[in-house]
Amino acid sequence: EVQLVESGGGLVQPGGSLRLSCAASGFTFSSYWMSWVRQAPGKGLEWVANIKQDGSEKYYVDSVKGRFTISRDNAKNSLSLQMNSLGAEDTAVYYCTRDYFTYFGYWGQGTLVTVSS
Amino acid sequence: QSALTQPASVSGSPGQSITISCTGTSSDVGGYNYVSWYQQHPGRAPKLMIYEVSNRPSGVSNRFSGSKSGNTASLTISGLQAEDEADYYCSSYTSSSTLPYVFGTGTKVTVL
Repeated sequence: EVQLVESGGGLVQPGGSLRLSCAASGFTFSSYWMSWVRQAPGKGLEWVANIKQDGSEKYYVDSVKGRFTISRDNAKNSLSLQMNSLGAEDTAVYYCTRDYFTYFGYWGQGTLVTVSS
Repeated sequence: QSALTQPASVSGSPGQSITISCTGTSSDVGGYNYVSWYQQHPGRAPKLMIYEVSNRPSGVSNRFSGSKSGNTASLTISGLQAEDEADYYCSSYTSSSTLPYVFGTGTKVTVL
């Protein structure tokens, strides 16, 4: 059974940093693109970033470029999102997803990031 | 790149059929057969219901079907059930080099 379990969310002050993690199991992690998708409270879904199977290609939505870094450790079946210079607009539930490049096949339960003083 | 346009809400009685539209442009919905649909119950993660316009993942009820015409994709739920009450989002691959995916604005489905 495919499982994606996010962790690392919490309350952070504006300008602060946070690192999200996603533990993957039940499939060959190294064979799939992976993405982070976020959802602000009461709002819709927004794709944030994705990473190729071997980590050689990474893409980001414009609003997080230069602030967020996606990475993966295929040996540990783990996906990460390093978030720096956080602002109120980054407050959201962040989902780890298995990216089929044309759709998101599996989603984790999400981790809430709240940016507030 | 703007979000795809969906109606804010759609409602129907049990047993009826409803259709949710998802309108984009020739750079996304109209340009590729890469439209997907997601169901999200309150407080839960989204779940893939339809991929590549009309394909159902294993385990998804055949009451859910997808189609596309021009720049507009549609999700039809037939034989509406109470458990179908949820938010639904469409998504499409795009031609943008900086934003490969765009989501719809979301539709709240209410079972009367």
